[in-house]
Amino acid sequence: QQQVKQSPQSLIVQKGGIPIINCAYENTAFDYFPWYQQFPGKGPALLIAIRPDVSEKKEGRFTISFNKSAKQFSLHIMDSQPGDSATYFCAASKEGGKLIFGQGTELSVKP
Amino acid sequence: KAGVTQTPRYLIKTRGQQVTLSCSPISGHRSVSWYQQTPGQGLQFLFEYFSETQRNKGNFPGRFSGRQFSNSRSEMNVSTLELGDSALYLCASSLDPSGGELFFGEGSRLTVL
Repeated sequence: QQQVKQSPQSLIVQKGGIPIINCAYENTAFDYFPWYQQFPGKGPALLIAIRPDVSEKKEGRFTISFNKSAKQFSLHIMDSQPGDSATYFCAASKEGGKLIFGQGTELSVKP
Repeated sequence: KAGVTQTPRYLIKTRGQQVTLSCSPISGHRSVSWYQQTPGQGLQFLFEYFSETQRNKGNFPGRFSGRQFSNSRSEMNVSTLELGDSALYLCASSLDPSGGELFFGEGSRLTVL
């Protein structure tokens, strides 16, 4: 019940494409769903986060779609660029508790 | 504003030894969390400290321990190292444990031989 399942494990898109990364969770008590971006040799950095009272949130080229009934959320990257090549992690937590991370998606954006 | 600082960045130990890793949170942040990152298990929560008290603990053996000082700096210790402890250990800080943004350091990469 504490798991967050993330897919795909890896993703290759062309520049300008829209990669989509999906996550699913079981615990309905989760109330905070962030996405982190990690470059090699660096720690994860928060990209965007959503709470279950909204179905979509946009920040720049990054959008989270949230489906509470399906217990799923996804990250869309509009107009992807080679600089977006990184590993992306979804996560979930409840009541300010520990973050449960997905397994990560390695994204490669080809020029 | 300086970010989360972790030391050392890299270290090599042998089985049976112990290691201490240090974390200085962002100035003003009072909550510090530790995560272990490995290719196989991904990012796994170790523990969280707030106001020098352990607030939450992950599912790791007792060989893993931590503490937080009055200036919010934190240390984690792993005793009797095993090969499987080789990992990137990440420290993250936040203003308080209310579920807001975690700011991660660059990690301490531990190799156990």
